[in-house]
Amino acid sequence: EAQVTQNPRYLITVTGKKLTVTCSQNMNHEYMSWYRQDPGLGLRQIYYSMNVEVTDKGDVPEGYKVSRKEKRNFPLILESPSPNQTSLYFCASSPNRGFVEKLFFGSGTQLSVL
Amino acid sequence: AQTVTQSQPEMSVQEAETVTLSCTYDTSESNYYLFWYKQPPSRQMILVIRQEAYKQQNATENRFSVNFQKAAKSFSLKISDSQLGDTAMYFCAFMKPFSVWGGGGADGLTFGKGTHLIIQP
Repeated sequence: EAQVTQNPRYLITVTGKKLTVTCSQNMNHEYMSWYRQDPGLGLRQIYYSMNVEVTDKGDVPEGYKVSRKEKRNFPLILESPSPNQTSLYFCASSPNRGFVEKLFFGSGTQLSVL
Repeated sequence: AQTVTQSQPEMSVQEAETVTLSCTYDTSESNYYLFWYKQPPSRQMILVIRQEAYKQQNATENRFSVNFQKAAKSFSLKISDSQLGDTAMYFCAFMKPFSVWGGGGADGLTFGKGTHLIIQP
């Protein structure tokens, strides 16, 4: 089944403790992206990747890192999480940079930073 | 930068009624794409409908249709014969063509803040 898999679905952590949210897609998609969703703000893009080893900042990249060493994986790294990073995170992928056909979303990761 | 505005934070209608969700956007691009996404309580993001700006004909998907007014930069979603399963957050989204994407900033997909639609039995 074609899908974007995020793990974990729920995560509670403390300020300053490094964490990684994993994202993997099994569709050989070139394009992958991370969004955060906050009440009243909609979805805002954190980082995106056009292909392996090609990443770029979105609207809200501060406090986050990403890597794209393999085509299927696009982990989101919080080196020193802070409470303002408490949010619902989505990973998404699409076949290529012209993704007008469809953007595939993962099921989301609810992160709470205490 | 593009902006997408959804002016209705929440709407509530009775089952079987028709409801229209509004969306306006601001851009200097002449060609672009517009989307409506549905997010039910399961949190899954589901594409409802999309519209290419160069197409004058309004997109339709079963009970869902859009009213695209390019000059007014308006992209409303109409849900006919609403059902309980339509209860969800609805997000309007804008994307500029890849040819004008640039590095160092968002890649052109901009979401509105969402409208929470409640269908009452």
